[in-house]
Amino acid sequence: QSVLTQPPSMSGAPGQRVTISCIGSRSNIGAGYAVNWYQQLPGRTPKLLIHDNKNRPSGVPDRFSGSKSGTSASLAITGLQAEDEADYYCQSYDSSLSGSVFGGGTKLTVL
Amino acid sequence: EVQLVESGGGLVQPGGSLRLSCSASGFALSSYAMHWVRQAPGKGLQYVSAINYNGDSTYYADSVKGRFTISRDNSKNTLYLQMSSLTAEDTAVYYCVKDRWRWLAVPGLFDFWGQGKLVTVSS
Repeated sequence: QSVLTQPPSMSGAPGQRVTISCIGSRSNIGAGYAVNWYQQLPGRTPKLLIHDNKNRPSGVPDRFSGSKSGTSASLAITGLQAEDEADYYCQSYDSSLSGSVFGGGTKLTVL
Repeated sequence: EVQLVESGGGLVQPGGSLRLSCSASGFALSSYAMHWVRQAPGKGLQYVSAINYNGDSTYYADSVKGRFTISRDNSKNTLYLQMSSLTAEDTAVYYCVKDRWRWLAVPGLFDFWGQGKLVTVSS
């Protein structure tokens, strides 16, 4: 069981907007620790997508955005494209575990 | 170009040991904290271990504490993960991951990942 909870799967049609949630608790997201997001395309290695809650590394399209509120964080993807079909993981720090933790991952399907 | 190339994986019997190596190029390994993250077949990412830029601070997930040892040789641009008392639950692809910072930041910021190396624990 992950301490960060993500929906196992989501789907959307091309052009639509999808939002992936990452629900934590007072020992991680709720304690103020930053949330990072990673994208893992099928058969590929994970890639940093969003860091420090809402910042995009160079080269990441502005269709991807992150936010955080209270004990949860969200990754929004607008103008969904076929190449966005991937697994998405949130990551933060948990003070109870004294280490970084990942969400269970969300498999995004583009219909 | 940043490159992280893992080696040393393979098939090992339960209770056995294995050492993973990660050869870094395209950046100064000595300036960054490094991590190991694993992914069991068909499963999600699991944080395993971390080491700061000079090796004097380390972290282990509870699931591997006392069995795994992370180390680094900055003169050889290489990160290591010594694994012992392996069980089937350790079967996974192990990724070598670069941090953006030199310290064990809270949380870690994994800005580059290697291709991964499969470790299979089976009799």
